[in-house]
Amino acid sequence: EAQVTQNPRYLITVTGKKLTVTCSQNMNHEYMSWYRQDPGLGLRQIYYSMNVEVTDKGDVPEGYKVSRKEKRNFPLILESPSPNQTSLYFCASSLSQGRSPLHFGNGTRLTVT
Amino acid sequence: AQSVTQLDSQVPVFEEAPVELRCNYSSSVSVYLFWYVQYPNQGLQLLLKYLSGSTLVKGINGFEAEFNKSQTSFHLRKPSVHISDTAEYFCAVIGGGYQKVTFGTGTKLQVIP
Repeated sequence: EAQVTQNPRYLITVTGKKLTVTCSQNMNHEYMSWYRQDPGLGLRQIYYSMNVEVTDKGDVPEGYKVSRKEKRNFPLILESPSPNQTSLYFCASSLSQGRSPLHFGNGTRLTVT
Repeated sequence: AQSVTQLDSQVPVFEEAPVELRCNYSSSVSVYLFWYVQYPNQGLQLLLKYLSGSTLVKGINGFEAEFNKSQTSFHLRKPSVHISDTAEYFCAVIGGGYQKVTFGTGTKLQVIP
């Protein structure tokens, strides 16, 4: 089954403790991206990647890191999480940027205390 | 820069009644437009897309949208809603040459029995 898989689905952590949210897609998509969803703000893009080893900042990249060493994986790293990063995070992929629709994972709900 | 406005944050409607969810965008170049639906505790799924050609676009689950270039709108419509349509709906735009998609803030459709 074609899908985008995120792990974990739920994560509670404390301020400053490094964490990684994994994202993997099995559709051989070139484009991958991360979003955060907050009430009243919709989805805001954190980082995106056009292909392996090619990443760029989205609208809200501060406090986040990403890497794209393999085509299928695009982990999101929070080196020192803070409470304002408490949010619902989505990974998405598409065949290419532009005309191709995004395929989303089921989300990761992160709480930073 | 491109932007998307969904003026209605919540739309209550009775079952079997018609509904229209509004979306307006701004972009200095030609655009691709999308509507996504998010059911509770799930990621977003593509409802429909406008890339070019006919301005009336049909999607899944009986939804359709009309691209109006002069009014820079892409409103979503369904002639008769069902309880199962209760979800949050997001309009999204990609301008030609841009590397990222911009989402609206979402409209929660509540179908009342």
